Amino acid sequence: AQSVAQPEDQVNVAEGNPLTVKCTYSVSGNPYLFWYVQYPNRGLQFLLKYITGDNLVKGSYGFEAEFNKSQTSFHLKKPSALVSDSALYFCAVRGDTGGFKTIFGAGTRLFVKA
Amino acid sequence: DTGVSQDPRHKITKRGQNVTFRCDPISEHNRLYWYRQTLGQGPEFLTYFQNEAQLEKSRLLSDRFSAERPKGSFSTLEIQRTEQGDSAMYLCASSRLVGEQYFGPGTRLTVT
Repeated sequence: AQSVAQPEDQVNVAEGNPLTVKCTYSVSGNPYLFWYVQYPNRGLQFLLKYITGDNLVKGSYGFEAEFNKSQTSFHLKKPSALVSDSALYFCAVRGDTGGFKTIFGAGTRLFVKA
Repeated sequence: DTGVSQDPRHKITKRGQNVTFRCDPISEHNRLYWYRQTLGQGPEFLTYFQNEAQLEKSRLLSDRFSAERPKGSFSTLEIQRTEQGDSAMYLCASSRLVGEQYFGPGTRLTVT
């Protein structure tokens, strides 16, 4: 069965420090991996994706994520956090076999302190 | 892109009533998804359309839920005989191929 785990409900980081939001997954076949962000009273927005190719993918707003097949992880990172990065972040996965369902994690709330 | 739109944005209904939500995807996107999101949780997959064909439906979805996409453009999600447990945000998303999904603002359903 497909699943996504975001082990941290909340991540706290000081502005200017690097941030990491963790995600691990289980999927049939090869994974298609995504990160989305949800700001208060706004819809989910796409940040970045891994389909194939380089393990390090870059996305919007300076975010990047590293696909690690052996650890089945896809952690979201940013070298220098901004207060405006404070939001709810969701990791999502879909396998390239076994259907079209995309599974989302429960979300991690990022709080960046000035 | 004009974005994904959903209507209504909010719906309050009494238990036992039927409700219908509409989603208009981005025009060139042939794939459309419905999700349900409750507080503190990520979106939960409900169903998927490719053009007008409903190709996947969650086994968690009861027979009270039905979705259509009659001409491969807009889609509707109907909930019959609503229950309090149906209270949630209902999200629609669209995409091209296997790419990222673009989400609408959602319809918040409250069942009293």
